[in-house]
Amino acid sequence: ETGVTQSPTHLIKTRGQQVTLRCSSQSGHNTVSWYQQALGQGPQFIFQYYREEENGRGNFPPRFSGLQFPNYSSELNVNALELDDSALYLCASSRRSDTQYFGPGTRLTVL
Amino acid sequence: QQQVKQSPQSLIVQKGGISIINCAYENTAFDYFPWYQQFPGKGPALLIAIRPDVSEKKEGRFTISFNKSAKQFSLHIMDSQPGDSATYFCAASLPSGGRYSTLTFGKGTMLLVSP
Repeated sequence: ETGVTQSPTHLIKTRGQQVTLRCSSQSGHNTVSWYQQALGQGPQFIFQYYREEENGRGNFPPRFSGLQFPNYSSELNVNALELDDSALYLCASSRRSDTQYFGPGTRLTVL
Repeated sequence: QQQVKQSPQSLIVQKGGISIINCAYENTAFDYFPWYQQFPGKGPALLIAIRPDVSEKKEGRFTISFNKSAKQFSLHIMDSQPGDSATYFCAASLPSGGRYSTLTFGKGTMLLVSP
């Protein structure tokens, strides 16, 4: 186990709703990255947070947003959910640009 | 644009055999190449990683071979076991230069080791 935890494990929402996913980083790690993994695909980078600021972003629209808290835990928020947002959402923690360790993910289903 | 291409998509190997998964990359600025193992319902777990200054790295039954000129790297699993049955992802990242670094993943290879 990596020590990275995510909640909830599973979530079902309807199109147009908003969702918040949570991640607790491994002890000693100050950086959290979020990835979206569609079924049968590799994870795709959404964004990264370092010391409570967004530190880099992938090719995702602004309705994907996040936060990092002083204890380095993080939230991923998705507004105006679309059917294509159905995926496994993974967070990974690291010390700055070191190796990333992944949590178990949150499975989001949008109906 | 897919920057890391992984093959095969799926692989069946007999117990005790060698599993080989290949990846090719396009961006010559990549400087870190990890392999992740993912079981159903779990997040990816780091298996082994290599940097381009070495051509091979071995950890137990797992070996990465790296060919910088061909822009290719591969994972070899020796003495494959049914417990190795999982999806394997190669990935690559750019130098952070003190800023952030992100992983670019291949599409994954589903490995089944038959008893």
